Amino acid sequence: DAGITQSPRHKVTETGTPVTLRCHQTENHRYMYWYRQDPGHGLRLIHYSYGVKDTDKGEVSDGYSVSRSKTEDFLLTLESATSSQTSVYFCAIGPGGDTGELFFGEGSRLTVL
Amino acid sequence: GESVGLHLPTLSVQEGDNSIINCAYSNSASDYFIWYKQESGKGPQFIIDIRSNMDKRQGQRVTVLLNKTVKHLSLQIAATQPGDSAVYFCAENSNRDDKIIFGKGTRLHILP
Repeated sequence: DAGITQSPRHKVTETGTPVTLRCHQTENHRYMYWYRQDPGHGLRLIHYSYGVKDTDKGEVSDGYSVSRSKTEDFLLTLESATSSQTSVYFCAIGPGGDTGELFFGEGSRLTVL
Repeated sequence: GESVGLHLPTLSVQEGDNSIINCAYSNSASDYFIWYKQESGKGPQFIIDIRSNMDKRQGQRVTVLLNKTVKHLSLQIAATQPGDSAVYFCAENSNRDDKIIFGKGTRLHILP
């Protein structure tokens, strides 16, 4: 398995509270992605990073921010969680270049009450 | 691992038959396409990819076909096995950016 871990794996929080999900990799890959997965929507890209301190928005970035201060860590923050952000969040990493092959973490299930 | 109870189109195939999973993409600027497989409770896994300068690519038991004219992609799985039971996603990318965008997925169900 690719060296990618997500934390926490499960979290229950209340509306209005801040939440940070962490993605950690040991593969030294340049690209890191955050997706959310919901019934009927498949995987939707939230934000991605193409290098340290280099990030960009995806399809559903409203309400989310990210930071990448070092190659191995990509943080996803919900400043004020809402029930619509209840989802399973997947982090993915990839070397970029000629391949779009991504390696996914095992997911983080977030429930916002 | 995590899984999501997905309300997806489902393809049911007899074990040993060939499976064909289809995908329509919308971005005419996309020039690179990837198929992923997601088993229950796990993250997606790469299966095969194809660039827009090709219309067919074969892997082990899998073939991807690309029809740029109608913006259609298909994944063919030969001699489907119980281990092929999963949700399959197509994904697309444009060399104009680094976004990899996924389709909604198809569930493949194997009949004994």
